[in-house]
Amino acid sequence: QKEVEQNSGPLSVPEGAIASLNCTYSDRGSQSFFWYRQYSGKSPELIMFIYSNGDKEDGRFTAQLNKASQYVSLLIRDSQPSDSATYLCAVTASGGSYIPTFGRGTSLIVHP
Amino acid sequence: GAVVSQHPSWVICKSGTSVKIECRSLDFQATTMFWYRQFPKKSLMLMATSNEGSKATYEQGVEKDKFLINHASLTLSTLTVTSAHPEDSSFYICSARWGRGWQETQYFGPGTRLLVL
Repeated sequence: QKEVEQNSGPLSVPEGAIASLNCTYSDRGSQSFFWYRQYSGKSPELIMFIYSNGDKEDGRFTAQLNKASQYVSLLIRDSQPSDSATYLCAVTASGGSYIPTFGRGTSLIVHP
Repeated sequence: GAVVSQHPSWVICKSGTSVKIECRSLDFQATTMFWYRQFPKKSLMLMATSNEGSKATYEQGVEKDKFLINHASLTLSTLTVTSAHPEDSSFYICSARWGRGWQETQYFGPGTRLLVL
């Protein structure tokens, strides 16, 4: 069974701080890694994807991938109250079907 | 990014009726779409994978005859909840796959909230 684990939180950070969200996965052959943001009552929205080891930056968001340790993280710099949401990690494994496995999500609360 | 629409966004129906939900990829062709359901404060649950021109692949525990999926074209997949009951009330979300191979990315529709009375 391919698993994607996230701490459910909530993770509470003050406005302006860096929020760090982590995700671990069990399938060592995983190839694609995604972060989605889901506001309460809404559907998930793609924030970032990463395929290679290292960091990938997009505005205030940085995704970090470490395949040897089987974890992927999302850093949100200068956190804003509007960043308060549940962040879902998704991992697409090897094997041809390319159906991603989603983690349960981490709830982030950014307080003023 | 790619745009996926769903219709309707809200539906309220009586127990025993059938409800059809449409999922469309607006600016790209999607050979594969996915259907999820999500209960309040719970995680996404994949129901089925919808493939254009072939039968859908259902996840374990999902009733094929209850949740009928038709992927009639490269831009449209439909989910029909047959003989709906109150326990079918949930948030149904579709997604469409864009890209190739392991670099494919899923884009989600806005979801359909179903309430069965």
